Amino acid sequence: AQKVTQAQTEISVVEKEDVTLDCVYETRDTTYYLFWYKQPPSGELVFLIRRNSFDEQNEISGRYSWNFQKSTSSFNFTITASQVVDSAVYFCALSRAGTASKLTFGTGTRLQVTL
Amino acid sequence: GAGVSQTPSNKVTEKGKYVELRCDPISGHTALYWYRQSLGQGPEFLIYFQGTGAADDSGLPNDRFFAVRPEGSVSTLKIQRTERGDSAVYLCASSPDPSYEQYFGPGTRLTVT
Repeated sequence: AQKVTQAQTEISVVEKEDVTLDCVYETRDTTYYLFWYKQPPSGELVFLIRRNSFDEQNEISGRYSWNFQKSTSSFNFTITASQVVDSAVYFCALSRAGTASKLTFGTGTRLQVTL
Repeated sequence: GAGVSQTPSNKVTEKGKYVELRCDPISGHTALYWYRQSLGQGPEFLIYFQGTGAADDSGLPNDRFFAVRPEGSVSTLKIQRTERGDSAVYLCASSPDPSYEQYFGPGTRLTVT
């Protein structure tokens, strides 16, 4: 069975602070995908990143960066110089590689960025 | 281009009634997924279509839930004899291929009174 754990229920930071959202996963599959989605107050899930299990290179996209460590089954997400618009619920998700890749989501981390 | 659309955006129904929720995927996307999101939780998988056929319906909670995608585009999620526990946001997602990332619609908030 697949499982995703996001232990941080809610995080509050002041604008311009850096913040890291933790994600730990469990799977018996040898190949799999990891994802992060953002759910702003409007409710629509926005795709941020997909990572293949055989590619452990960290990735940076603007103020966003992701740290994938297979040895600890973690896929953490860091926002540098946070902004109020980053306020949202962030979900980490896992799927098997290949076809019929339904997503298994964590319970989400609510990030509140204040001025 | 147009994203995934879902109608209605909100649906209030009485316990025991039948409801239909509609999903219009991104044009050309062959894979379509339904998820259910309860308050404070992550989305939970219900069913996946590849083309017209349900390739994986392992997430449907019981036989009151059924979904169709007759022409390989629009999909309808049908819930019979609704119960208060069915209240949730029902999300639809589509993908150009099952191995690609999924793009989500805005959801339908179902409230069973």
